Amino acid sequence: KAGVTQTPRYLIKTRGQQVTLSCSPISGHRSVSWYQQTPGQGLQFLFEYFSETQRNKGNFPGRFSGRQFSNSRSEMNVSTLELGDSALYLCASSLEGNTDTQYFGPGTRLTVL
Amino acid sequence: GNSVTQMEGPVTLSEEAFLTINCTYTATGYPSLFWYVQYPGEGLQLLLKATKADDKGSNKGFEATYRKETTSFHLEKGSVQVSDSAVYFCALREGGTSYGKLTFGQGTILTVHP
Repeated sequence: KAGVTQTPRYLIKTRGQQVTLSCSPISGHRSVSWYQQTPGQGLQFLFEYFSETQRNKGNFPGRFSGRQFSNSRSEMNVSTLELGDSALYLCASSLEGNTDTQYFGPGTRLTVL
Repeated sequence: GNSVTQMEGPVTLSEEAFLTINCTYTATGYPSLFWYVQYPGEGLQLLLKATKADDKGSNKGFEATYRKETTSFHLEKGSVQVSDSAVYFCALREGGTSYGKLTFGQGTILTVHP
């Protein structure tokens, strides 16, 4: 069974631009979560989606948004990029009813210049 | 709110040495506890987990016991290998209306020399 895939793997943007990252969960997984990883702040929860609904959200500004499609694939969008948004963005998927076992993708490395 | 505190790194050991990485947590309920490992250039992999007090999680020679009385979940391995070099994260999931949200510690870099 294929693992969690994230595209693109690397991305370079400039301040003020917007970016969309994609996450395809493991087949059959309906829950997708997103995390931001930076050297200074570590791993921080962004949001979680299940059945196309956001059911939990972390403490990030409104510039960070996401959505989930009917096939469980998820996207996150960051508008008006700032230098501090440079990070590794990780998504994780799990089966509903077993969120104790989450599978992470390799991440998208975003660099904002 | 919930929080996880790990021992500061980096930790440098010789091959076959004993490993301990300390982890303590603060949570309002009865969380599930996890250790994740991240190898260079990769995402996180679940190493082991424990879902209730006194449970012991184990995998690949690593062990951790859920200690509610000391709110701890220390990671141990009796004999480390060079291939264990990675970053280790302790995490908790409170469940309930937090659903799948994980709260992570800051990570501990482990380097094992031959």
